[in-house]
Amino acid sequence: AQSVTQLDSQVPVFEEAPVELRCNYSSSVSVYLFWYVQYPNQGLQLLLKYLSGSTLVKGINGFEAEFNKSQTSFHLRKPSVHISDTAEYFCAVMWNYGQNFVFGPGTRLSVLP
Amino acid sequence: DAGVIQSPRHEVTEMGQEVTLRCKPISGHDYLFWYRQTMMRGLELLIYFNNNVPIDDSGMPEDRFSAKMPNASFSTLKIQPSEPRDSAVYFCASSPQSQPQHFGDGTRLSIL
Repeated sequence: AQSVTQLDSQVPVFEEAPVELRCNYSSSVSVYLFWYVQYPNQGLQLLLKYLSGSTLVKGINGFEAEFNKSQTSFHLRKPSVHISDTAEYFCAVMWNYGQNFVFGPGTRLSVLP
Repeated sequence: DAGVIQSPRHEVTEMGQEVTLRCKPISGHDYLFWYRQTMMRGLELLIYFNNNVPIDDSGMPEDRFSAKMPNASFSTLKIQPSEPRDSAVYFCASSPQSQPQHFGDGTRLSIL
């Protein structure tokens, strides 16, 4: 069965520093990959997605992610974070032509002044 | 664009009572999803609809839970009877594609 792992449950980082949130998946079939952000007391927002093509995907709010098939990873990065980026970030994987979709456990990013 | 609208935002009720959560998806979206979020289990897909038809309800915990989508602009998730372990944040999401894209702000449900 396919699964998603986010190894870091919490990531504290200082404002204007770079950040990388890790996501690994296990799958024996082709997958599509997603990152979502959840701000406090709100629903999730889609940040970016990888369906095919270029392995470097750019999303909203200055985030980007790189699909690495050999390492089965889809890490999220931002070169300089802001206080407003404090939120929970979820990686997700879809397979079987959209029939199956699962979220990872989430990583709480805390941006410190 | 109003986005996905959920009501109520908060619900506190006693165990045994019937609870109804409501969702208005974004117009034109063919897919509607119901998720439950808890600290212990994270985000769980309960059920999703395509063109008002339930496609996968394997995540519905038990017979106490039911969901309907009588038309393209409205869906309900009902719990009867409710139990304390049902306490969670319930999210509705809609999308033009088979992965959830637009989430509502959720209903925070507390069963006493």
